[in-house]
Amino acid sequence: SQELEQSPQSLIVQEGKNLTINCTSSKTLYGLYWYKQKYGEGLIFLMMLQKGGEEKSHEKITAKLDEKKQQSSLHITASQPSHAGIYLCGADEGGATNKLIFGTGTLLAVQP
Amino acid sequence: NAGVTQTPKFQVLKTGQSMTLQCAQDMNHEYMSWYRQDPGMGLRLIHYSVGAGITDQGEVPNGYNVSRSTTEDFPLRLLSAAPSQTSVYFCASSYSLGAGANVLTFGAGSRLTVL
Repeated sequence: SQELEQSPQSLIVQEGKNLTINCTSSKTLYGLYWYKQKYGEGLIFLMMLQKGGEEKSHEKITAKLDEKKQQSSLHITASQPSHAGIYLCGADEGGATNKLIFGTGTLLAVQP
Repeated sequence: NAGVTQTPKFQVLKTGQSMTLQCAQDMNHEYMSWYRQDPGMGLRLIHYSVGAGITDQGEVPNGYNVSRSTTEDFPLRLLSAAPSQTSVYFCASSYSLGAGANVLTFGAGSRLTVL
């Protein structure tokens, strides 16, 4: 079965600093999703990537899917306290279902 | 729109007790699913449904039952709770099926403690 590994597991950065979170799959990715979770809340969809080499941005967050489609990175520029939370990558298991498997998550803290 | 509504938000059970976690969505989504979230393990899929009357098992189905009698509702039942089922449970739904369509809408979660 497919597995997703995220690194780092946790990250503490000073406000204003840039950071990168990685998500590596054991199999080719057909759909890669990034979600954010604030403590005690559900997950909020950030971005979806499907094509090798694809890159998407929303405000100060950029996500990329590498050409071989087995790794994705999430980059935050000039981090703010509002970026704090848990970031999870998810991947389609394929087929005519919506089975989405998730990585173990990266806990981000942003110090003012 | 309320989105995905989960109840209860918090529950404490004794080993062996049964309970149902409720999940309802008002977006006419075909797909619904239940995940559990444990420290260091991300989210693991328990059961899912691609439409009313259709359910299937995910990664960790043991100890849980589901049914999907309507498009809107997807309850998760614990028949005989065990301490290993202490977790945070999330219900999620999406409007279409297939790879590339997993933009899931999540509920706020239900925190369950089994003593």
